[in-house]
Amino acid sequence: GENVEQHPSTLSVQEGDSAVIKCTYSDSASNYFPWYKQELGKRPQLIIDIRSNVGEKKDQRIAVTLNKTAKHFSLHITETQPEDSAVYFCAASKANAGNMLTFGGGTRLMVKP
Amino acid sequence: DADVTQTPRNRITKTGKRIMLECSQTKGHDRMYWYRQDPGLGLRLIYYSFDVKDINKGEISDGYSVSRQAQAKFSLSLESAIPNQTALYFCATSDPASGNNNEQFFGPGTRLTVL
Repeated sequence: GENVEQHPSTLSVQEGDSAVIKCTYSDSASNYFPWYKQELGKRPQLIIDIRSNVGEKKDQRIAVTLNKTAKHFSLHITETQPEDSAVYFCAASKANAGNMLTFGGGTRLMVKP
Repeated sequence: DADVTQTPRNRITKTGKRIMLECSQTKGHDRMYWYRQDPGLGLRLIYYSFDVKDINKGEISDGYSVSRQAQAKFSLSLESAIPNQTALYFCATSDPASGNNNEQFFGPGTRLTVL
């Protein structure tokens, strides 16, 4: 089955700096890669996603890049703010597996004011 | 607003007890999922259901069972709880007919402690 690895497990940045979280996946048939954000004590919520026919997608201060050849994808957050502090999860899925999501282990991002 | 809810939100129980966690949704979604969250291990799929008559095992189904009582309800049971089932449990839903048919919507979670 699919295996998703996520690095780093913790990341501390100064407010205003950029943060990058990386994930690798094992199944070359995976074609959908979402990122979920989980604030302390809250439920995970989708923040951005990318499909395999696209190499990059941006939404304001967040962007996701995908390298299908290397089987890795990354979340980029620019101009970090304290409210970006949360746990971020990457995931992968493929259409012929019913779109089931396999999650990475999570990254705890701390933005210091 | 359409939502996913879970009961109870917190539960402390003893080893060997039977526990049921309940999930309800008003989103009208056909697909429902149960995950457990452990530190450093992300979200791992326990069971999932694509409609009322469909139940499938996920990555870590041993020690758990589920019941899909209706489109809106999906319950997770621990027949004989053990301490390593202490975790945060999330229910989620998705709708294959929606614009983003992969997005999953999570409930608020149930924190279960098995002593």
